[in-house]
Amino acid sequence: QIQLVQSGPELKKPGESLKISCKASGYTFTDYAMQWVKQAPGKGLQYMGWINTQTGKPTYADDFKERFVFSLETSASTAYLQINNLKNEDTATYFCARGHTMVCWGQGVMVTVSS
Amino acid sequence: DIQMTQSPASLSASLGETVTIECRASEDIYSNLAWYQQKPGNSPQLLIYDANSLADGVPSRFSGSGSGTQYSLKINSLQSEDVASYFCQQYNNYTFGAGTKLELK
Repeated sequence: QIQLVQSGPELKKPGESLKISCKASGYTFTDYAMQWVKQAPGKGLQYMGWINTQTGKPTYADDFKERFVFSLETSASTAYLQINNLKNEDTATYFCARGHTMVCWGQGVMVTVSS
Repeated sequence: DIQMTQSPASLSASLGETVTIECRASEDIYSNLAWYQQKPGNSPQLLIYDANSLADGVPSRFSGSGSGTQYSLKINSLQSEDVASYFCQQYNNYTFGAGTKLELK
């Protein structure tokens, strides 16, 4: 069945970097875009952007044009979200989701940034 | 950027009741709208796409309607498992509404 399996929780200090993975299975990875969504604790969903899985071209929402990098390892059907120079406000759960109507979501990665 | 105004922010309803959640876009989004349900501790799940198309496996008591800038999600005959947060999202530039928390009265 179609699945997106994300990497495990992260505890980081401000200024550090991290890279979250999202491994797809059950479909052809390059047939659908991969989207990224942030959810801060107790808050709503914030759209981060998407990556074209055929070309590798990322598109970032305005709030995520700095410090955030989307990438792919197509041979492994895996998408990545890298966050550089982590800040306290990056504490959140990060979801990957397949396609433009987000029919399938990963389980989310809880990221905690704290000194 | 297109802004999505979702209302109400919270809603309390009784079992069997019909509830309606609304989203208003800041400009015409041509029915490019989805609704998601999120239960605590879980990932969001797609309920409705293209404003009124039911996603696979979603109970028929959920329905979506609207056009232009005004859209709504209706839940008929509320069940206990419908307690969740609901989000609209337009997929012109993918902005989400702020969400509606649905509780049982």
